[in-house]
Amino acid sequence: DGGITQSPKYLFRKEGQNVTLSCEQNLNHDAMYWYRQDPGQGLRLIYYSQIVNDFQKGDIAEGYSVSREKKESFPLTVTSAQKNPTAFYLCASSSLSKGTEAFFGQGTRLTVV
Amino acid sequence: GIQVEQSPPDLILQEGANSTLRCNFSDSVNNLQWFHQNPWGQLINLFYIPSGTKQNGRLSATTVATERYSLLYISSSQTTDSGVYFCAVSGNTPLVFGKGTRLSVIA
Repeated sequence: DGGITQSPKYLFRKEGQNVTLSCEQNLNHDAMYWYRQDPGQGLRLIYYSQIVNDFQKGDIAEGYSVSREKKESFPLTVTSAQKNPTAFYLCASSSLSKGTEAFFGQGTRLTVV
Repeated sequence: GIQVEQSPPDLILQEGANSTLRCNFSDSVNNLQWFHQNPWGQLINLFYIPSGTKQNGRLSATTVATERYSLLYISSSQTTDSGVYFCAVSGNTPLVFGKGTRLSVIA
């Protein structure tokens, strides 16, 4: 089944812990993105990557880190430095060569307890 | 950066009614997409429409790039159309999202 897979669907974290959210795509897309959504709000860009081993900060990168060691994978780490990490996190991918339509995974809902 | 404004912020419809959602953006774009976010949070692609008009069943969209706006039309609305509709645009950067229109369709 082609698409973007995010895991886990729900994640609970204690304050002071780092957690890593997984995002995998088998669409052979070049670019991958991480967005954050707070209740009643639109999506805000955290990080994006257009090529393996390279990534750029988005509008709200503080307290987050990413890696892009493989084309298919773009994990997001929410560090203890992120002041308000409780949110819904969405991963997306797009093909740079075939137009820029983006497709999204099903999201991970992170709650700090 | 590009600014995206969606209107109205909230919309309540009786089942069977028609509606028009608007998206205004502040700069020229290479990409414009409409999404429907379902109650479980998943973003469903509705249209990729940087310019022109497209139709898919009861939904259609028009983008007038020179005037920097896009319209999403929903005809004969059904309760399953409820949710949040997002417009997102990009120039040479990742998608920038509006705050969405929350649609509630009542039986």
